Amino acid sequence: DAGVIQSPRHEVTEMGQEVTLRCKPISGHNSLFWYRQTMMRGLELLIYFNNNVPIDDSGMPEDRFSAKMPNASFSTLKIQPSEPRDSAVYFCASSLYREAGNTIYFGEGSWLTVV
Amino acid sequence: EDQVTQSPEALRLQEGESSSLNCSYTVSGLRGLFWYRQDPGKGPEFLFTLYSAGEEKEKERLKATLTKKESFLHITAPKPEDSATYLCAVNLRDNYGQNFVFGPGTRLSVLP
Repeated sequence: DAGVIQSPRHEVTEMGQEVTLRCKPISGHNSLFWYRQTMMRGLELLIYFNNNVPIDDSGMPEDRFSAKMPNASFSTLKIQPSEPRDSAVYFCASSLYREAGNTIYFGEGSWLTVV
Repeated sequence: EDQVTQSPEALRLQEGESSSLNCSYTVSGLRGLFWYRQDPGKGPEFLFTLYSAGEEKEKERLKATLTKKESFLHITAPKPEDSATYLCAVNLRDNYGQNFVFGPGTRLSVLP
């Protein structure tokens, strides 16, 4: 089974430009997560969805960040306008939520550099 | 505040030199503790889940254990290919069961 698929793998953009990151979760999973990883702050949860519905977006740093999940197989994370401090690795992850417990599986990440 | 710490921050071992990594947590309620391995330029790769104190899981040269306040990842006779960053995460009890808090990781280098 294919894992979590993210695109683009690498993006270099200029400050002020819009950035869109894309994610395809593992088929059959009902939860999707967006994480950001930096050297200073490690892995931080930005937002997660259950059954395509945003549940907790308290980790989204500012209004410049938005995320959507229009269907069970696709999600986007958008940054508009982008700033140099947004440079980081953005991971998408998915899981099949069960009452007894669940494991999240990560994609390979999107490496974003804002210059 | 829910918190996860890991020690040491970095560890250098000679091939075959066994050691342990520590993950300590202070959380209001634990649904599970997870260990991941992350190679440079890659996403975290799932290794183990532990749900209750006293539980142990093994995979090749790795063994994870859990107590009420911490978890250990024991590496027996490591090889250079075990070099990676090891992350632990706790799944917190909340209304949705999807709150995962990650530790900062331990960077392991195994020298031949």
